Amino acid sequence: AQKITQTQPGMFVQEKEAVTLDCTYDTSDPSYGLFWYKQPSSGEMIFLIYQGSYDQQNATEGRYSLNFQKARKSANLVISASQLGDSAMYFCAMGSLSGGGADGLTFGKGTHLIIQP
Amino acid sequence: DAGVTQSPTHLIKTRGQQVTLRCSPISGHKSVSWYQQVLGQGPQFIFQYYEKEERGRGNFPDRFSARQFPNYSSELNVNALLLGDSALYLCASSLEHTGTAAYGYTFGSGTRLTVV
Repeated sequence: AQKITQTQPGMFVQEKEAVTLDCTYDTSDPSYGLFWYKQPSSGEMIFLIYQGSYDQQNATEGRYSLNFQKARKSANLVISASQLGDSAMYFCAMGSLSGGGADGLTFGKGTHLIIQP
Repeated sequence: DAGVTQSPTHLIKTRGQQVTLRCSPISGHKSVSWYQQVLGQGPQFIFQYYEKEERGRGNFPDRFSARQFPNYSSELNVNALLLGDSALYLCASSLEHTGTAAYGYTFGSGTRLTVV
């Protein structure tokens, strides 16, 4: 079974500051993918960044980077130079790459990020 | 290109009724997954369909069923609705049945179901 833990229910951050959202995971799968999604109040899950378990380098997508520490089973999201529009729920998720997606994605409970001007 | 389209956007049903939710994937995507997101929680996996076949099922009762059509659109059916079925139901599409950076999962805006 897979498990995602997000320990920060809510965070307040000043605009233009960097922010780190924590995510730890547990799985017995040798091959897996880690995802971060943003969910604004409209409800849509917006894909931000992906890290494969065998990727040697940490993933980056614009202002988003994923701090992947495999031995510690952590996959923290770093947002540089935060903006007011970054205020939303953020979910960490993982999926098996060896099971053909039969178990879908496992999500954490999310972190509510609020950017203050 | 249109993204993942879900209908209806909002729905109110009475306990015991049945409901059908619809999802149209991104053009060219062959896999559709369904998730239930209750208030304050992350989404929970319900089903995955690929090439019209069920490829995975989460821990949901048999009241939940789904199917995928030849055009890859999908329907989620829930029978004998309970108050606890009130949630945002999200549909995600992907090219293949394993989401990777190359394919990813693209989510729709969801159907918000309220059972009264």
